[in-house]
Amino acid sequence: GESVGLHLPTLSVQEGDNSIINCAYSNSASDYFIWYKQESGKGPQFIIDIRSNMDKRQGQRVTVLLNKTVKHLSLQIAATQPGDSAVYFCAENPSQGGKLIFGQGTELSVKP
Amino acid sequence: NAGVTQTPKFRILKIGQSMTLQCTQDMNHNYMYWYRQDPGMGLKLIYYSVGAGITDKGEVPNGYNVSRSTTEDFPLRLELAAPSQTSVYFCASSPRLWGSEKLFFGSGTQLSVL
Repeated sequence: GESVGLHLPTLSVQEGDNSIINCAYSNSASDYFIWYKQESGKGPQFIIDIRSNMDKRQGQRVTVLLNKTVKHLSLQIAATQPGDSAVYFCAENPSQGGKLIFGQGTELSVKP
Repeated sequence: NAGVTQTPKFRILKIGQSMTLQCTQDMNHNYMYWYRQDPGMGLKLIYYSVGAGITDKGEVPNGYNVSRSTTEDFPLRLELAAPSQTSVYFCASSPRLWGSEKLFFGSGTQLSVL
C-alpha cells in the first residue's frame, strides 16, 4: 500500500551544524509534499511545502529537496539551533484532492 | 488571531464513558479534520468535513462521530470509550482541500481511557 516513511527515527546533531532529515514515499503520482515540525506537547506546525513540478524549495534556514526519480524527500536545516529540537513529519498527497498521508516522524535532538 | 482551538487539553475517561472533544477555528476555513496520533506513529485521519453540514470518514472512524453545524466548529464525539482510543487527538483546518494546501493544527487533546 501507499506509505510515507522516514529513514531514521532519531537524529542527534551539534548546535550550529546542518541537519538533514530524509523521507521516502511510495506513490510516484504524489504531487504535493509537506514538512511539519512538532514540539513536545504541541500540534504540528507547517515548515515548508513543495509541489512535484519543483525539485528544490528554500525557506528561512530550511530547504526541501525532492527527487522524484528515487521517490525521496529531504529537509535540510541550516545552522541547527536548540529550538529546532522536535519531531519532524513529512506528508504526501498521493493524488489530486486525495488525503494527506503522514510519515512516522524523525526526532531531531540538538546538542549545545 | 487564535487559529485552531481545542478543548480540553487533557482528559481521563473510564471504559464505556462518553465525551466530546471540541474544536473551533476562526480563520473561516471550509475544510476541517480530526486526526489521532499514537506514540511513535504518524497522524491517522478519523473524520473530515468539507463544509458545514458535510462530513466523511477517514482511515480510522470506528468508535467516533462528528458533526459540522457551523463553519467554525467541528466536535468529535466518543460514545463508548475503549482503551484503544487512548491517544492524542488533533483538529486541523485548511482553506482548501489538504492535498493542495497546508493544514493548521490545534494544540491537541491527550486522552486516556482506563
